[in-house]
Amino acid sequence: KQEVTQIPAALSVPEGENLVLNCSFTDSAIYNLQWFRQDPGKGLTSLLLIQSSQREQTSGRLNASLDKSSGRSTLYIAASQPGDSATYLCAAEKYGNKLVFGAGTILRVKS
Amino acid sequence: DVKVTQSSRYLVKRTGEKVFLECVQDMDHENMFWYRQDPGLGLRLIYFSYDVKMKEKGDIPEGYSVSREKKERFSLILESASTNQTSMYLCASRLQETQYFGPGTRLLVL
Repeated sequence: KQEVTQIPAALSVPEGENLVLNCSFTDSAIYNLQWFRQDPGKGLTSLLLIQSSQREQTSGRLNASLDKSSGRSTLYIAASQPGDSATYLCAAEKYGNKLVFGAGTILRVKS
Repeated sequence: DVKVTQSSRYLVKRTGEKVFLECVQDMDHENMFWYRQDPGLGLRLIYFSYDVKMKEKGDIPEGYSVSREKKERFSLILESASTNQTSMYLCASRLQETQYFGPGTRLLVL
């Protein structure tokens, strides 16, 4: 059974720092790996999706990498801003449309 | 823009009540999902649907049922609400590999 773990559970950084969020998964037979953002009390917004055949994806200041062999993905946020404060969740998808989510990393960027 | 709406943002119900959570999407997506989100556990899949009248159990279906009579609407039903069903409920629809989430319903069962 796929299990997804995110470290750290919470992170507080000063504005402008570059930071890395970690995601690990136990079953490397994944279809893709996705990163989402969730603002307090709201639904999830898709940030990046990495196909199993890809190594990384980039969107603006966000870069996500995938290493299937080691069961790891990282989300890199460059030059963090207070508006980046949110919970970040990763999810691994096996064939069949099912996503397995990690518990998330709560990020606070201080101005 | 894809829009997924949920009928209520907050609900308070009593133990034993029948509870309906409604989700509507406006993009003719075939796949729809219901999750619950609890602190420290992330999102867990309750049920999903590939098409009208089609449903499949997720990881935690016990105590829940679903209904999909029209493509745009996917309902989650708690037949007899219990306190351990107090949670945040999130609906999503899917196009290709991207899931689009509603704002969530925070349910409190007393």
